[in-house]
Amino acid sequence: DVVLTQTPPTSSATIGQSVSISCRSSQSLLDSDGNTYLYWYLQRPSQSPQLLIYLVSKLGSGVPNRFSGSGSGTDFTLKISGVEAEDLGVYYCVQGTHDHTFGAGTKLELK
Amino acid sequence: EVQLVESGGGLVQPGSPLKLSCAASGFTFSSNWLNWIRQAPGKGLEWVASINPDGSSTYYPDTVKGRFVVSKDNAKNTGYLQMNNLRSEDTAMYYCARRRSLDYWGQGVMVTVSS
Repeated sequence: DVVLTQTPPTSSATIGQSVSISCRSSQSLLDSDGNTYLYWYLQRPSQSPQLLIYLVSKLGSGVPNRFSGSGSGTDFTLKISGVEAEDLGVYYCVQGTHDHTFGAGTKLELK
Repeated sequence: EVQLVESGGGLVQPGSPLKLSCAASGFTFSSNWLNWIRQAPGKGLEWVASINPDGSSTYYPDTVKGRFVVSKDNAKNTGYLQMNNLRSEDTAMYYCARRRSLDYWGQGVMVTVSS
């Protein structure tokens, strides 16, 4: 089974600061169809998760462009360039290449 | 507008069955994968089941395989999760979500397994 390791588990940021979250997979997420099914989600308190990034680096519908994703194979990164108050919550990386596996989450807090 | 609305949750005793529903609207349900994901109180997210667009193929993690059955009725635009032999560790908020990308989620329904 694929294991996704997210770091850090918690991140404290001030408004306007840039933040990066890492997601490392125990197996390559490159599918035989040439796509890499790695996604990023934000779950705000008491809300359902929302899709931020799909296929490693593509921005979800309506997602601000301060969010960006990068990586390949087994190593991936989500970057928030200029944190805003509405960005606080728990971020999850998810792989969809081998069924679905979720990372443990990274909680983004205000410093 | 894409909408997914879960229902059917509640408090059940260990060993009991429960069937969740996921009513879909705003998109062509018959052309889309449907997934179920759960979140135990204060914990992270766990994939529970997936079903392909025509309902002919289903997928489960080992934690629920043999106990949970996912299905969809494309004529009713509704997906289902039949949960059997429920255990205390199945206590969670259950979400349905569309497509491999999980691009839209429902609001979730709570299932509590306790005597």
